[in-house]
Amino acid sequence: DTGVSQNPRHKITKRGQNVTFRCDPISEHNRLYWYRQTLGQGPEFLTYFQNEAQLEKSRLLSDRFSAERPKGSFSTLEIQRTEQGDSAMYLCASSLGGGSPTEALHFGNGTRLTVT
Amino acid sequence: AQSVTQPDIHITVSEGASLELRCNYSYGATPYLFWYVQSPGQGLQLLLKYFSGDTLVQGIKGFEAEFKRSQSSFNLRKPSVHWSDAAEYFCAVGSPGGYNKLIFGAGTRLAVHP
Repeated sequence: DTGVSQNPRHKITKRGQNVTFRCDPISEHNRLYWYRQTLGQGPEFLTYFQNEAQLEKSRLLSDRFSAERPKGSFSTLEIQRTEQGDSAMYLCASSLGGGSPTEALHFGNGTRLTVT
Repeated sequence: AQSVTQPDIHITVSEGASLELRCNYSYGATPYLFWYVQSPGQGLQLLLKYFSGDTLVQGIKGFEAEFKRSQSSFNLRKPSVHWSDAAEYFCAVGSPGGYNKLIFGAGTRLAVHP
């Protein structure tokens, strides 16, 4: 178990630029989640994949955000035309699938985005 | 809709003192409940979870939590706090979607005085 890996750890970008983050889940986990965490708040759900299928997107995920999980392995989260309000920690998590909904989420260390 | 309230934004305790962090949830059925801990600049680490059965659950690092349905609470406790416990603690409830989407509280930041 090498854990959930996220890259980069930090990203500073100028307003209006596009950014892409990568998440590599724990290898046997087929569920993958993206969360966003702003300062002083708990993580907020953005989107969820089961294998390569994106099954739910939060209303927080505007049309500037897109997430993919080709082949059901790693995932990318892209933000187009970044805004200062996008500055946050973006967390990825993964969990085992199957019939049980009771598996805990395993989180990566996150990507901290700063939009200047 | 599900929600989680952590009434205490910031708590300070002395090393060796006992600790209780409060968590109240709103959920229509039997909830799945979790406590996570986050050190600065890091991701979240699972401390413990409750799905069913015994309402007192034991976790890692000497933490425990008690599920009280009548009070809609899932408070986290530790009998003797160590300086390394200083961190932010998040309570979360699992959604009914069947795939364990979690709804988090705003967190409680714990400071430990020597």
